[in-house]
Amino acid sequence: RKEVEQDPGPFNVPEGATVAFNCTYSNSASQSFFWYRQDCRKEPKLLMSVYSSGNEDGRFTAQLNRASQYISLLIRDSKLSDSATYLCVVGGYIPTFGRGTSLIVHP
Amino acid sequence: EPEVTQTPSHQVTQMGQEVILRCVPISNHLYFYWYRQILGQKVEFLVSFYNNEISEKSEIFDDQFSVERPDGSNFTLKIRSTKLEDSAMYFCASSEWGGETEAFFGQGTRLTVV
Repeated sequence: RKEVEQDPGPFNVPEGATVAFNCTYSNSASQSFFWYRQDCRKEPKLLMSVYSSGNEDGRFTAQLNRASQYISLLIRDSKLSDSATYLCVVGGYIPTFGRGTSLIVHP
Repeated sequence: EPEVTQTPSHQVTQMGQEVILRCVPISNHLYFYWYRQILGQKVEFLVSFYNNEISEKSEIFDDQFSVERPDGSNFTLKIRSTKLEDSAMYFCASSEWGGETEAFFGQGTRLTVV
């Protein structure tokens, strides 16, 4: 089983839609999780940290399910500017990235 | 807002040459990382550095690679005898308290080996 798995997508949604991504991880001892956003050929930028059951920041909600070993990211009221790749990262001695999920928001 | 800075933004080098990629981490951060991302692929961990020594490294980080903190601000990645497959985006990152806390990334150096 891969350490951090994400559906690569792309998720193609209209403006205003709600979209959710999942990320599964293999190390049950992991304590910290992050969602990053990466635009084409740019650096990953921190979107949210998830240390306990979840976190919310405006239109973005992250949830952690330790029993099932997955983290989700929910984006409400999608904007065109949300189009990017969303990277799930599991923290630890070696922070590990998933492949990312591509989101395309169209008019 | 403090940020991680990397130079150069783009480096073209001939196969077999040595390159040094430079990074200035955020000043109060204690942990530093190098990652690479081959075009179209995932971000891959290379090495982490704490207290002036390597704390973790991946299987990618072989004898061809080395890291150094030559002074109080710079953090460098040296690639000796570059190969075509070293062509990638190299990202430096730093975090305040290690891998359980948020890491902030520089804008990357695009390395092209020809």
